[in-house]
Amino acid sequence: AQSVTQPDARVTVSEGASLQLRCKYSSSVTPYLFWYVQYPRQGLQLLLKYYSGDPVVQGVNGFEAEFSKSNSSFHLRKASVHWSDSAVYFCAVSISGSWQLIFGSGTQLTVMP
Amino acid sequence: GGIITQTPKFLIGQEGQKLTLKCQQNFNHDTMYWYRQDSGKGLRLIYYSITENDLQKGDLSEGYDASREKKSSFSLTVTSAQKNEMAVFLCASTTGGGNTGQLYFGEGSKLTVL
Repeated sequence: AQSVTQPDARVTVSEGASLQLRCKYSSSVTPYLFWYVQYPRQGLQLLLKYYSGDPVVQGVNGFEAEFSKSNSSFHLRKASVHWSDSAVYFCAVSISGSWQLIFGSGTQLTVMP
Repeated sequence: GGIITQTPKFLIGQEGQKLTLKCQQNFNHDTMYWYRQDSGKGLRLIYYSITENDLQKGDLSEGYDASREKKSSFSLTVTSAQKNEMAVFLCASTTGGGNTGQLYFGEGSKLTVL
């Protein structure tokens, strides 16, 4: 069975600072990996996804993530955050042939002006 | 583009009551999901439906029933609401299954049980 761990429940950074949100996964096979974002009072939206190939994937709004098979990780990064990036970020995992998408517990990001 | 509409947005019930949440999508997607979101616990899968009239249990299906009578709609019933229960239920849909990752979510239905 697959699982996802987001070790940081809350992260606070200053506007303009760089950001890394951590995600560790557990899977017997190489999974498909995703980052979703949930803005206040909204549903989740896909930020980026990794299926195979280049371990660094680009997403919307300047976000990127790096897949590491050796570390079983898929950390999300942004070079310079904006106050509008304040939201809850979810890492998720699935495997080929599965209809299920398994989510982590989420990281609440607060960007201070 | 399309949209997922969840009704009601807010639902207040009494302990032991049967409560139903509804979800409509106009993406023409085959697969639909119900997730429960609790603070600090992320999203947990309750039920999903690969196609019309199909139902599959997720890890959190106990205490819930689901119904997929039409391709565009997916209902979730809390069979007996638990006192002090509070959670947000999220409906989602996709055309290609979980491994494509492109799930489209509704805004959620917030349940409060008194």
